[in-house]
Amino acid sequence: EPEVTQTPSHQVTQMGQEVILRCVPISNHLYFYWYRQILGQKVEFLVSFYNNEISEKSEIFDDQFSVERPDGSNFTLKIRSTKLEDSAMYFCASTEWTGGRNEQFFGPGTRLTVL
Amino acid sequence: DQQVKQNSPSLSVQEGRISILNCDYTNSMFDYFLWYKKYPAEGPTFLISISSIKDKNEDGRFTVFLNKSAKHLSLHIVPSQPGDSAVYFCAASDRDDKIIFGKGTRLHILP
Repeated sequence: EPEVTQTPSHQVTQMGQEVILRCVPISNHLYFYWYRQILGQKVEFLVSFYNNEISEKSEIFDDQFSVERPDGSNFTLKIRSTKLEDSAMYFCASTEWTGGRNEQFFGPGTRLTVL
Repeated sequence: DQQVKQNSPSLSVQEGRISILNCDYTNSMFDYFLWYKKYPAEGPTFLISISSIKDKNEDGRFTVFLNKSAKHLSLHIVPSQPGDSAVYFCAASDRDDKIIFGKGTRLHILP
C-alpha cells in the first residue's frame, strides 16, 4: 500500500540553525501539507501546497518557514532560523483531491528538537 | 480558538464493549468531518469520515454519527478490540483544504 515517508525520523539542532525536513508524498497525489504537533498539544495545520505554490498557510507559518517541491517526488519544509518553540513533531500529508473529500494521508513524522 | 473540541482526554473501555468517542465543533462552515487514529511514533491514520449532508456513516466496526443542529459528532467502535487502543483525533474541514484537529482522546481497551 502506498504511503507517505518522511526523513529524518528525528532531527536535533541548535537554536538559530536552519533545518530541512523531507517528505515523499504518495506518488499520484497532488496536494501536500505540513502539520506540527507540539508535545501534549493538538495537531496544527501549517501550510498546504498545490501546483507548485502555497495555497494556504496558518499564522504559525511565518517568514522563517518555507516549502518547496524541488523535484517530482520530494516535498520539503525549511525552517531558516530555528527557535526553541519550534520543537515538535512535524507531519507531512498528501491527498488526491476528490472534489470535497479530503482524506489526507500522513507520514510517520519527524521529531524536531531545538536546543 | 478551539474550533474542534474533544473534551475527554482519555477513555477506558472493556474489550468487546462499545467505545464512544465524542467531538463538538463550533464552526458552522465545516462540511466534512474525519476521525484519525494515532499510535505512538506514527502519523495520524485516516479512519472514517462523514459529509455534512449525512448523519451516519458506517465502515465495519466503526460508525460515525453527525448531529448538525448540536454541532456534535461521535465515533462508535463495536466491538472494541485491544488493537483499538490509540489516540483518536476528531477533525473537520470546510471548503479550504486544511484539516482542523481536536486535541485527541486516548482510548484504552481493557482486557
